[in-house]
Amino acid sequence: EVQLLESGGALVQPGGSLRLSCAASGFTFSSYAMIWVRQAPGKGLEWVSTISGSGGSTYYADSVKGRFTISRDNSKNTLYLQMNSLRAEDTAVYYCAKDSYTPRFPDAFDIWGQGTMVTVSS
Amino acid sequence: EIVMTQSPASLSVSPGERATLSCRASQSVSNSLGWYQQKPGQAPRLLIYGASTRATGIPARFSGSGSGTEFTLTISSLQSEDFAVYYCQQYNNWPLTFGGGTKVEIK
Repeated sequence: EVQLLESGGALVQPGGSLRLSCAASGFTFSSYAMIWVRQAPGKGLEWVSTISGSGGSTYYADSVKGRFTISRDNSKNTLYLQMNSLRAEDTAVYYCAKDSYTPRFPDAFDIWGQGTMVTVSS
Repeated sequence: EIVMTQSPASLSVSPGERATLSCRASQSVSNSLGWYQQKPGQAPRLLIYGASTRATGIPARFSGSGSGTEFTLTISSLQSEDFAVYYCQQYNNWPLTFGGGTKVEIK
């Protein structure tokens, strides 16, 4: 079964840092681009970042560029999101997702994790 | 940035009736358009990709159409499990962008 499992969400103070992880199983992880999407409480979906299957290409939303870093460890089938200089407006459920097509990307997101909550507050 | 605009923001429909949801892009996204369903407390689920292709396991009552800037998701006969929020998303250009969502409610 194809599965994504996020972890690492927490309550953090403004200006703080946090690293999210997403453990993947059931597919050839290194073949697919992976994505982080977030959803603020009561709001819609916002794309955050995408990384290619090899990890050699990364893309960011302007709202997180320079503060967040996406990475992956294909030997561990794990995706990461390092979040620095966190702000109140980063408060959201963070989902990891799998791109549906290989090798071309981006494409639609066919598998999603259950999400992990990040709260930025003093 | 390509802005995705969904209409209506909410839609009240009786079970068994047809629902038509619209999504408009601020510039052409070709057919690089996906539709997602999200129920309360759950992750989104991919329904349609490539504007009109149903994802694996999606019932035939869901259909997508359109290309360029105008897209439609049609649910032919609403079932109780279809009441949810629906999002469109373009993946033709960076940054990837979602519409604001359409909430389909029970009438």
